[in-house]
Amino acid sequence: GAVVSQHPSWVICKSGTSVKIECRSLDFQATTMFWYRQFPKQSLMLMATSNEGSKATYEQGVEKDKFLINHASLTLSTLTVTSAHPEDSSFYICSARDTYLQETQYFGPGTRLLVL
Amino acid sequence: AQSVTQPDIHITVSEGASLELRCNYSYGATPYLFWYVQSPGQGLQLLLKYFSGDTLVQGIKGFEAEFKRSQSSFNLRKPSVHWSDAAEYFCAVGLSGGYNKLIFGAGTRLAVHP
Repeated sequence: GAVVSQHPSWVICKSGTSVKIECRSLDFQATTMFWYRQFPKQSLMLMATSNEGSKATYEQGVEKDKFLINHASLTLSTLTVTSAHPEDSSFYICSARDTYLQETQYFGPGTRLLVL
Repeated sequence: AQSVTQPDIHITVSEGASLELRCNYSYGATPYLFWYVQSPGQGLQLLLKYFSGDTLVQGIKGFEAEFKRSQSSFNLRKPSVHWSDAAEYFCAVGLSGGYNKLIFGAGTRLAVHP
């Protein structure tokens, strides 16, 4: 149980294009999902908290117009990197918090984004 | 401000040796504490967690961790390391209330020699 999937697992895109990353909780409901960014050999940095049916809460320094988050259902959140640039290349990881076991987050396998 | 410190960036141990990974936190309230493991190119897998109760918690893959409030520590231990344990280990504090955001330490990269 407690499986979180991400799609795609990796993506290469041209500078200026937009990329959408999906995060799904497969066997539990997730009222809250989180999006993290991880640079090589570094820790995870929380980008935003996504709540089903409401606007995401962004961490300081994260551009909300750059990183669009939608959490339209209890099992799906999406992160769209708009007008991507090479500096957006990174490993993006989502996590989902079980609605009924709220202290624990389950992590997806991550999406590696490379912007050329 | 809340923070998590993992003092050791890299640790190398021989297979079969014991392991202890250090974690110290700074948080005003009673924390939720977690250890996660990340294999190369992978997401994070939860090893164990502490919310309350017995301060020695058992996790998966033979890992355990001990919460010591007086030292603000939550060190991870394993009595005998296997080559497959080579990975990056992250300690995290969950902030109580709100959405239970996680604050991660910088991570400790474990290498295992045969």
